[in-house]
Amino acid sequence: GNSVTQMEGPVTLSEEAFLTINCTYTATGYPSLFWYVQYPGEGLQLLLKATKADDKGSNKGFEATYRKETTSFHLEKGSVQVSDSAVYFCALKKSSGDKLTFGTGTRLAVRP
Amino acid sequence: DVKVTQSSRYLVKRTGEKVFLECVQDMDHENMFWYRQDPGLGLRLIYFSYDVKMKEKGDIPEGYSVSREKKERFSLILESASTNQTSMYLCASSLQGVVTDTQYFGPGTRLTVL
Repeated sequence: GNSVTQMEGPVTLSEEAFLTINCTYTATGYPSLFWYVQYPGEGLQLLLKATKADDKGSNKGFEATYRKETTSFHLEKGSVQVSDSAVYFCALKKSSGDKLTFGTGTRLAVRP
Repeated sequence: DVKVTQSSRYLVKRTGEKVFLECVQDMDHENMFWYRQDPGLGLRLIYFSYDVKMKEKGDIPEGYSVSREKKERFSLILESASTNQTSMYLCASSLQGVVTDTQYFGPGTRLTVL
């Protein structure tokens, strides 16, 4: 079946450091890939998405590229801020359905 | 602005009580979902609905039921709450049949069963 594997957290960085959160997936066909973010005390919100191979999703300085050959969708940001402290979830949606499959989430803490 | 609302942010119930969690969306979405979120386990799908009065089991439906009498409202029911149902519950909605579309989430209900 479909699955998403994320690096375990927590990830602790200093402000302005470079961020990478790894995400790999297992799926048949050509799924759409998503990163969601959950700020403290809130629900999840979409951060970015990519719908086909080699697509790059980007938003708020975050980027992720859909790599079919390595089945990966790693999240990156060049310079993190304290306000980026949150839990990040990688997810996929099959081409034939409406359900999302989530990874376990990676908590990011950014120190001033 | 799209909106998914949940009836309570925090809820405390006793073992054996019947618990209702309500979710309302204002985007005319066909699909609605209930998840529970637990540390180290991420989000797990309990039930979803793709139309009024329609429902399908997710990955962990045991101990739960759902009701969807109106398109905008999706209720999660714990018939007899147990301590292992203490969790964060998240509701979401989405358009149907649009593989690139996202799910929109409510703020969550943190349920504690004593």
